Amino acid sequence: QKEVEQDPGPLSVPEGAIVSLNCTYSNSAFQYFMWYRQYSRKGPELLMYTYSSGNKEDGRFTAQVDKSSKYISLFIRDSQPSDSATYLCAARGGSNYKLTFGKGTLLTVNP
Amino acid sequence: GAGVSQSPRYKVAKRGQDVALRCDPISGHVSLFWYQQALGQGPEFLTYFQNEAQLDKSGLPSDRFFAERPEGSVSTLKIQRTQQEDSAVYLCASSLAGPMTDTQYFGPGTRLTVL
Repeated sequence: QKEVEQDPGPLSVPEGAIVSLNCTYSNSAFQYFMWYRQYSRKGPELLMYTYSSGNKEDGRFTAQVDKSSKYISLFIRDSQPSDSATYLCAARGGSNYKLTFGKGTLLTVNP
Repeated sequence: GAGVSQSPRYKVAKRGQDVALRCDPISGHVSLFWYQQALGQGPEFLTYFQNEAQLDKSGLPSDRFFAERPEGSVSTLKIQRTQQEDSAVYLCASSLAGPMTDTQYFGPGTRLTVL
């Protein structure tokens, strides 16, 4: 079992929909949680960065971490065609710089 | 400003050939990471440099993989005697200072195909 599990999708939604992307993790040492967006043929780009449990909001994006259930979520409100990409969740421990990534979820937002 | 750049963007090698992949981090960034991303998978850690020192190479899959950063800026990932299972996108990332606290900025990757 991988330390970070993510449903690869694909996920297809109409423009304007609320998108929910999720990951689970198994390593209790993970303290920092990230969401990266990766467009086709590009490198990952950091979207959200969260420490421990709680919510973080940035514009149309909200990241949630529930350490009790080891569950990581990213919500995208008012989704746009430009949001079409692969979304990768990642985590690392407090004293470890190595990022452990999920497989990524391919999202398509249809106009 | 310029981001992380990698070259070549695409590389096709015959099995058994040696390849060298280059990473130019963001100017002034102390930390540099290499990741391997197989098709349909997330990136997996290969190695980490702080300036010119390679502090962690635990993710390198075999002794055919070698990385260096001799002057603390540009880094090269070398793969000797390439095998088909080496086919993947090789991503480089850099961060300004400490690897624990700073965001890792990724380059576009080099897509290696071994025939």
